[in-house]
Amino acid sequence: GIQVEQSPPDLILQEGANSTLRCNFSDSVNNLQWFHQNPWGQLINLFYIPSGTKQNGRLSATTVATERYSLLYISSSQTTDSGVYFCAGTLPGANNLFFGTGTRLTVIP
Amino acid sequence: NAGVTQTPKFQVLKTGQSMTLQCAQDMNHNSMYWYRQDPGMGLRLIYYSASEGTTDKGEVPNGYNVSRLNKREFSLRLESAAPSQTSVYFCASTPQETQYFGPGTRLLVL
Repeated sequence: GIQVEQSPPDLILQEGANSTLRCNFSDSVNNLQWFHQNPWGQLINLFYIPSGTKQNGRLSATTVATERYSLLYISSSQTTDSGVYFCAGTLPGANNLFFGTGTRLTVIP
Repeated sequence: NAGVTQTPKFQVLKTGQSMTLQCAQDMNHNSMYWYRQDPGMGLRLIYYSASEGTTDKGEVPNGYNVSRLNKREFSLRLESAAPSQTSVYFCASTPQETQYFGPGTRLLVL
């Protein structure tokens, strides 16, 4: 399978601050996605981003497929951004997602 | 449109008991997945079904069986539960790329 390394493992932010989360893959991946798991355990898909850059409100993501990494930017963080952020990808031609161990974000008021 | 639903939400089993976790989606997706999430870890794929009538093993299939009953439903069965199967189980479905997750089932095996 693929090894997925996420950094930092934990992050504490003051409300209003910006942050960058990173995801490195051991091999070339397809179907790269970012998820947010809220404190109640629900997983929400944030981005499907195999390459390039996408933005959705205060969140944006960039994937550099040739260098096997992806970044998630959170601007003007809010307490509702708290939770765990996961990245995941598949091997080329495969269906199963391999997940990283996540970045736990805590935003304090 | 309920998305992906899972039942039950919580379950406590004794070692050796069996149970079936149910998953259903109303989005007409072809592919469905079962994952487990252990404390402090990401999700690991147990089984998946690329389409109705097909199932394939994922990363951690031992101790589990699955049934793709129809396009909507994908069940996960533990024939003889073990404490190592204590986990949170997530079902997901996808039309092609983006995966949509159910709320999860918390399972405790004593």
